[in-house]
Amino acid sequence: DAGVTQSPTHLIKTRGQQVTLRCSPKSGHDTVSWYQQALGQGPQFIFQYYEEEERQRGNFPDRFSGHQFPNYSSELNVNALLLGDSALYLCASSTWDRDGYTFGSGTRLTVV
Amino acid sequence: QQQVKQSPQSLIVQKGGISIINCAYENTAFDYFPWYQQFPGKGPALLIAIRPDVSEKKEGRFTISFNKSAKQFSLHIMDSQPGDSATYFCAASGSNQGGKLIFGQGTELSVKP
Repeated sequence: DAGVTQSPTHLIKTRGQQVTLRCSPKSGHDTVSWYQQALGQGPQFIFQYYEEEERQRGNFPDRFSGHQFPNYSSELNVNALLLGDSALYLCASSTWDRDGYTFGSGTRLTVV
Repeated sequence: QQQVKQSPQSLIVQKGGISIINCAYENTAFDYFPWYQQFPGKGPALLIAIRPDVSEKKEGRFTISFNKSAKQFSLHIMDSQPGDSATYFCAASGSNQGGKLIFGQGTELSVKP
């Protein structure tokens, strides 16, 4: 049973560029959340998707946007990249009515 | 009010010893308190979680102690092993927050042989 799958695993982008990260949730999960984890810090909630709609959003600018597809997979898009966007981006899936996330291994984004 | 404060930042324990990590929260609406373990290059993995209706939960060598009045909870790792060396995060969420997790800053645990 595959867990949460994220792609790519590593990515290097130039300041000002745009990036798209992808996530496939664990089988049976319908809710996807995205977190940003800076080096040496705890993950910070970006947003959550359920039924193809953004249900909750953390304290992140509009440069961060997302999408959920009918098969529950999700994308995170970041526009106009800043050096400070360099972090590990984690996708977590769950069922809407139960606690307990399963996290993917993340995408390491480096902005130069 | 949304913060979860975790201590210590780092911890060194001898093999066979007890590792203790503490967290404190302010938001009384929080009703779910998980602990995650993260190895380098990996995402966090759920270890154990507790709800406020119990004061303690044990799963194998891992125990959560919960003090609702003090708004504190802690993770105890009994008989710590070198394989337990990892970063541990406490977190909290509330049913009125749709499952959004607020994480602590993390504790880097090193278990010496």
